[in-house]
Parts: sequence; structure tokens; C-alpha cells
Amino acid sequence: NAGVTQTPKFQVLKTGQSMTLQCAQDMNHNSMYWYRQDPGMGLRLIYYSASEGTTDKGEVPNGYNVSRLNKREFSLRLESAAPSQTSVYFCASSDQGLGYTFGSGTRLTVV
Amino acid sequence: AQSVSQHNHHVILSEAASLELGCNYSYGGTVNLFWYVQYPGQHLQLLLKYFSGDPLVKGIKGFEAEFIKSKFSFNLRKPSVQWSDTAEYFCAVNAPPSGNTGKLIFGQGTTLQVKP
Repeated sequence: NAGVTQTPKFQVLKTGQSMTLQCAQDMNHNSMYWYRQDPGMGLRLIYYSASEGTTDKGEVPNGYNVSRLNKREFSLRLESAAPSQTSVYFCASSDQGLGYTFGSGTRLTVV
Repeated sequence: AQSVSQHNHHVILSEAASLELGCNYSYGGTVNLFWYVQYPGQHLQLLLKYFSGDPLVKGIKGFEAEFIKSKFSFNLRKPSVQWSDTAEYFCAVNAPPSGNTGKLIFGQGTTLQVKP
């Protein structure tokens, strides 16, 4: 099925560990996004990539880095995980803001 | 800064009751507006969207929303809810300076619980 694929679906990290969340889309969308979802706070934008080769900070970028590897792939890296980064992470892609497709999410727990 | 506010955080209804969820946004220019639904344990799915034209927008599963520019609002409605509508609902806005970057600003979400 066409769409946005995220891996892994679940992850438990110890404080200080690093990891990379992977995201790939096969819809030829230019823009890709990483959001985190926390209870009562909706979805907050971490980083986004308006087009291949560009990345920009969103609302809550601290503690994260991203890489737009090519048009299809946009990864999110936690260099030194903290308990405050326990959250559900969603990747999304869009066609110039006219249509958005979300991945199924990654549930991350940092202990 | 742009913001989206959903007034109802938790709504409990009985089946067949009517639903209206409020959404207000802070940007005064041209906006694209969206409502998403997230069923338990699932990812976000688009219910409906408004870009221009008729301010009354019909979406999937019997949902509709009305864009009232003068009130900066985009409220979601459904005449008769079903138990299967139990989910979390998010209002979102894409507005300049987001432009073609397509950044969506989300509201806090409203949890709807429908009792059978």
C-alpha cells in the first residue's frame, strides 16, 4: 500500500542511549515532517523538510536531529535520550500542504 | 505565533446525540483547515479539509465542518454519533508563513467517548 512507513513501531531506551527513527514515503511528496504526540498537547512539530536537501526546526527541536536522506526518506535521531522524550512520534508527508499522509507512529519510552 | 485552540478536551455523548466540537485559530489571512481523527491505537486519518469555496465542508463518516472566517472558527459537527466514533479529534491549520512548506499547526485534541 502506498503511504508513509515508520520503523520501529515500539522502542524502549535507557537514558543517554541514542537511536534513529526511520520514515519513508512512496507518494513522491516534496515535504516531510516529524511530530511528537503527548497527552493534552496535540501534535507538535519537531522538524520538517520542505524539499529534498532542506530541513528546518519546528516547535520543539531540542534534543533531536534530522536527515533528509533523499526525497523518500526522512529520519529523526535522538543523540542522548531523556525521559522527557517519551512520546509517540509520527512522520508525515505532504503535497505542498494540500494533502497529508501520516505514518502509523513509533511509541518510544525512555527509562 | 499561530495557534489552534480546541475548547472541548473531553466530550462524553450517548449514541444518536448530536456532536459539535469547537476549533478556533489565530491567523487572520488565508488558511487551509483540517480535521483529523485518531482511533485508539491508530494513526491520524483525515476527516475533512477546507481550502476555499463553500464554507460548509462535508467529510467522511457523516462529519461536516463550517468555516466562519469572521469568527476564525472551523467547528466539526455530526448529527448523530455512533459508538464507533469514539476517538480523539484534532483540528489543524496550515497558514502563512508556512506557505508551501505545509507545516500543520495542531490543536490540543478532543477526546470523544460515545456510550452505547
